[in-house]
Amino acid sequence: DVKVTQSSRYLVKRTGEKVFLECVQDMDHENMFWYRQDPGLGLRLIYFSYDVKMKEKGDIPEGYSVSREKKERFSLILESASTNQTSMYLCASSLLLPSGSSYEQYFGPGTRLTVT
Amino acid sequence: AQSVTQLDSHVSVSEGTPVLLRCNYSSSYSPSLFWYVQHPNKGLQLLLKYTSAATLVKGINGFEAEFKKSETSFHLTKPSAHMSDAAEYFCVVSSGYGNKLVFGAGTILRVKS
Repeated sequence: DVKVTQSSRYLVKRTGEKVFLECVQDMDHENMFWYRQDPGLGLRLIYFSYDVKMKEKGDIPEGYSVSREKKERFSLILESASTNQTSMYLCASSLLLPSGSSYEQYFGPGTRLTVT
Repeated sequence: AQSVTQLDSHVSVSEGTPVLLRCNYSSSYSPSLFWYVQHPNKGLQLLLKYTSAATLVKGINGFEAEFKKSETSFHLTKPSAHMSDAAEYFCVVSSGYGNKLVFGAGTILRVKS
């Protein structure tokens, strides 16, 4: 079974702090994704990565950055946390397929971040 | 651009009665479609997926969905609800670029005893 783990289930940070969220997958997947989940909005894509050191912006990248130094690890960074970044953050991974076809994504349990 | 509309934010059914969760999609090409489920305080789990094979797709836990191109719909059904089905359900369409997924807003299913 694919396993996607996230470094924390719950996190509380102060406004202005730098925040690191870590995600690790154990199935050698090329693709990795970071989403935030808010009630009534579903999941929104922040950033994704096809390969080591590759990254692309998703739909809501403002205020976030990412790092992928190893294939199995994808980090989300909040350079200066703000209260509107209080949310559930979900990491996912999938195989890379030719354009036009899709494999399902496998999700981690999520990190509930509160910024006060 | 691809988009997904889940027509009900909340659905309430009695245990043992049928479940219908409605989803319409918009896509500029033949899409891949998915349903995911999220139980309280858990990650998302794939229920089923449509990838241009049979239009009636069977998933886990007795769920199934039918792809109807003429109606641009992909509704999720189950003949008989169980208490353990109470969760939030997401309809998802593939964007076709880099395996990106576009999520609907979610439908919260409540099952009454």
